Amino acid sequence: DAGVIQSPRHEVTEMGQEVTLRCKPISGHDYLFWYRQTMMRGLELLIYFNNNVPIDDSGMPEDRFSAKMPNASFSTLKIQPSEPRDSAVYFCASRRAGGANTEAFFGQGTRLTVV
Amino acid sequence: AQSVTQLDSQVPVFEEAPVELRCNYSSSVSVYLFWYVQYPNQGLQLLLKYLSGSTLVKGINGFEAEFNKSQTSFHLRKPSVHISDTAEYFCAVSPAGTYKYIFGTGTRLKVLA
Repeated sequence: DAGVIQSPRHEVTEMGQEVTLRCKPISGHDYLFWYRQTMMRGLELLIYFNNNVPIDDSGMPEDRFSAKMPNASFSTLKIQPSEPRDSAVYFCASRRAGGANTEAFFGQGTRLTVV
Repeated sequence: AQSVTQLDSQVPVFEEAPVELRCNYSSSVSVYLFWYVQYPNQGLQLLLKYLSGSTLVKGINGFEAEFNKSQTSFHLRKPSVHISDTAEYFCAVSPAGTYKYIFGTGTRLKVLA
């Protein structure tokens, strides 16, 4: 398996524009997570899904953020409209069900810069 | 609610010296404990985890960690570091019954020649 695949790796956009980040989890994994990494706040959990259903979105900062998982092999995180304070590295991770003994595998991240 | 505290944001250490990266957590429920490492411009990868049993856990690349329930700590150690260990290290908890991780803010380990 190629691991968790995120696209794009880098995104530069202007304030006010819509941004869509994409993630393909590892095949067979039941859980998918979106994290945001900044210098000030470290790694924050934004939302996670189980079998394509959102379980906990309490970390989504504002209504400008939305996430979807239309099927087991694809998820998107959308920011509309984007703001400079959204600049961060966004990570997607996936994990198999089976208890605490399973580990989460992370993608390489999308570095978002909003100017 | 759960929280993870990594007191040291940066730790410089000379090559072949020992290192300890500190992690403390708080939680009102049982948690599992993890250390992840992030090399520059990469995602995170698992170093080691504590689920139950022996409080001393060994991981990859010669790292180990000790779970101390009374002190709610899970410090990471390596007896002799290499230049290649330069990276950011994250401590995380996963509340029992969930699959999510809550991360600390990370410790940047810089190994000096």
